[in-house]
Amino acid sequence: AQSVTQPDIHITVSEGASLELRCNYSYGATPYLFWYVQSPGQGLQLLLKYFSGDTLVQGIKGFEAEFKRSQSSFNLRKPSVHWSDAAEYFCAVGAHTGTASKLTFGTGTRLQVTL
Amino acid sequence: NAGVTQTPKFQVLKTGQSMTLQCAQDMNHNSMYWYRQDPGMGLRLIYYSASEGTTDKGEVPNGYNVSRLNKREFSLRLESAAPSQTSVYFCASSEAPGGKSPLHFGNGTRLTVT
Repeated sequence: AQSVTQPDIHITVSEGASLELRCNYSYGATPYLFWYVQSPGQGLQLLLKYFSGDTLVQGIKGFEAEFKRSQSSFNLRKPSVHWSDAAEYFCAVGAHTGTASKLTFGTGTRLQVTL
Repeated sequence: NAGVTQTPKFQVLKTGQSMTLQCAQDMNHNSMYWYRQDPGMGLRLIYYSASEGTTDKGEVPNGYNVSRLNKREFSLRLESAAPSQTSVYFCASSEAPGGKSPLHFGNGTRLTVT
């Protein structure tokens, strides 16, 4: 079965600083990978996804993520953080097999942005 | 375009009471899901419906039942609520089942069981 680890529970960055949120996955084949963002009181919104091809994927709100097979990682990055980026971020991995949803979520990283 | 709509937004139950959480999507998606979110545990799948007419257990199904009423609606029922079911519940939908199709989430139902 697949699994996802987000090592950082809470991260604080200054507005305008760069951001990297870590995600490591465990899966036997090339996974489907996702990053979601959750603002307070809201559901999760898809930021970006990786299925195959170019290992650097662009998402909404200026986010990008890089798939590194050798490190089993899919870290989320943003060059310059805005105060509105404060939220909780979830990495998720999807499996290929079967017809059932096999999307497994990490435990999340809460991002705080200081002005 | 409403997307995924959940009702109610908040609910307080006493132990042993029952209730049904409602979910509807207007995106013509085939698959629908119920997750619960607890601090430090991420999202855990309770039940899902890969297509209209089918339902299957997820990771944490005990204490819950579901009904896929039609293609649009997928309800979650707690027959006898327990304090351990205090959580935030999210309904989601996707165009197709399987791990490739992104999920679209509702805004959640915050349930407290006393």
